Amino acid sequence: ETGVTQTPRHLVMGMTNKKSLKCEQHLGHNAMYWYKQSAKKPLELMFVYSLEERVENNSVPSRFSPECPNSSHLFLHLHTLQPEDSALYLCASSQGKDTQYFGPGTRLTVL
Amino acid sequence: GNSVTQMEGPVTLSEEAFLTINCTYTATGYPSLFWYVQYPGEGLQLLLKATKADDKGSNKGFEATYRKETTSFHLEKGSVQVSDSAVYFCALSDPPQFYFGTGTSLTVIP
Repeated sequence: ETGVTQTPRHLVMGMTNKKSLKCEQHLGHNAMYWYKQSAKKPLELMFVYSLEERVENNSVPSRFSPECPNSSHLFLHLHTLQPEDSALYLCASSQGKDTQYFGPGTRLTVL
Repeated sequence: GNSVTQMEGPVTLSEEAFLTINCTYTATGYPSLFWYVQYPGEGLQLLLKATKADDKGSNKGFEATYRKETTSFHLEKGSVQVSDSAVYFCALSDPPQFYFGTGTSLTVIP
């Protein structure tokens, strides 16, 4: 499935670094999502952008900052992360209530 | 509120065995229901879906029926293959949010 792309696929960063994850969808959808997937934990919804409105999970730390400049692009800005933030970060898009389409994910390691 | 509960794994089966992965849900409205599959190193892929009660979703030999009376959406396959080894997620949609189960790891041995 190449409808949703994510870059980079792998990222290693120190706790003082600032980096960004990028997601792009080519499906004409009107909603985009960031999820965190950690080993042996449920998939955690971090942020939703629907028709350019943002919905967020209040438990997500402020060191994660999303940006959605248009309906096709979604960023996740990272700063001063902690080792426990190491995980697979998945982007997805959907058209309303219909199926979510996922990207391949970015494997993030925080040293 | 909305939630999805699916059976814990891991599940290990021999090739050609019958598979059932249980999924039940709680929802305030009339959600659509989904099964996703995740192969190692990849994102989630849609396996099948059902949008209303009594609908049956099917794909690649997998089936699941939307049962409103039992609030269930169990995944079944009559004869599993080694290539079916993956993690399976049950999910429901309540726009704009989706709710996922914790995933069930399936390993099929030859």
